[in-house]
Amino acid sequence: EVQLVESGGDLVQPGGSLRLSCAASGFTFSSYWMNWVRQVPGKGLEWVSRIGTDGSFTSDADSVKGRFTTSRDNAKNTLYLQMHSLRAEDTAVYYCARGYNWQDYWGQGTLVTVSS
Amino acid sequence: DTVMTQSPDSLAVSLGERATINCKSSQSVFYSSNNKNYLAWYQQRPGQPPKLLIYWASTRDSGVPDRFSGSGSGTDFTLTISSLQPEDVAMYYCQQYYSPPYTFGQGTKLEI
Repeated sequence: EVQLVESGGDLVQPGGSLRLSCAASGFTFSSYWMNWVRQVPGKGLEWVSRIGTDGSFTSDADSVKGRFTTSRDNAKNTLYLQMHSLRAEDTAVYYCARGYNWQDYWGQGTLVTVSS
Repeated sequence: DTVMTQSPDSLAVSLGERATINCKSSQSVFYSSNNKNYLAWYQQRPGQPPKLLIYWASTRDSGVPDRFSGSGSGTDFTLTISSLQPEDVAMYYCQQYYSPPYTFGQGTKLEI
């Protein structure tokens, strides 16, 4: 069974940093592109970033470019999102999701709250 | 960026009736070299992550009931639920994966 489990969400002050993790199991993690998608509670979905199978290719939304970095450790079957210079508008549930084109499996999400 | 616009924002349909949700992209998401539309549909029930329903605009994901169907090409797409069931109450989102950023529509709330 494919499982994606996010962790690391927390309350952080504006300007702060946070690292999210997504532990994958039930599939060959190193064979799949992975994504981060976020959702402000009660609002719509926003694609944040994606990363290639070996981590050599990444693509980011303009809203996070230069502040967020996506990486992966295929030996640990784990996806990461390093977030710096956090803003109030980054407050959201962050989902990791599998897929190169569409996203066929999603985690349950982890909540990041940016507030003083 | 490709803007995805769904209509309506919300929809109330009786059990057993048909529900139709539209999605329009600001640019074509049709790739002529492989004759495919780079468009997916997701369902999100309250408190749950999104679930993939349809990809390539009209291909149902594994295990998705056949009452769900997708159609359209280029810039105009439709998700149809042929006979609404109680478990279909949810938000529905379209997404283009033709070019980054892989934008979603604003969502359509489907109620009974």
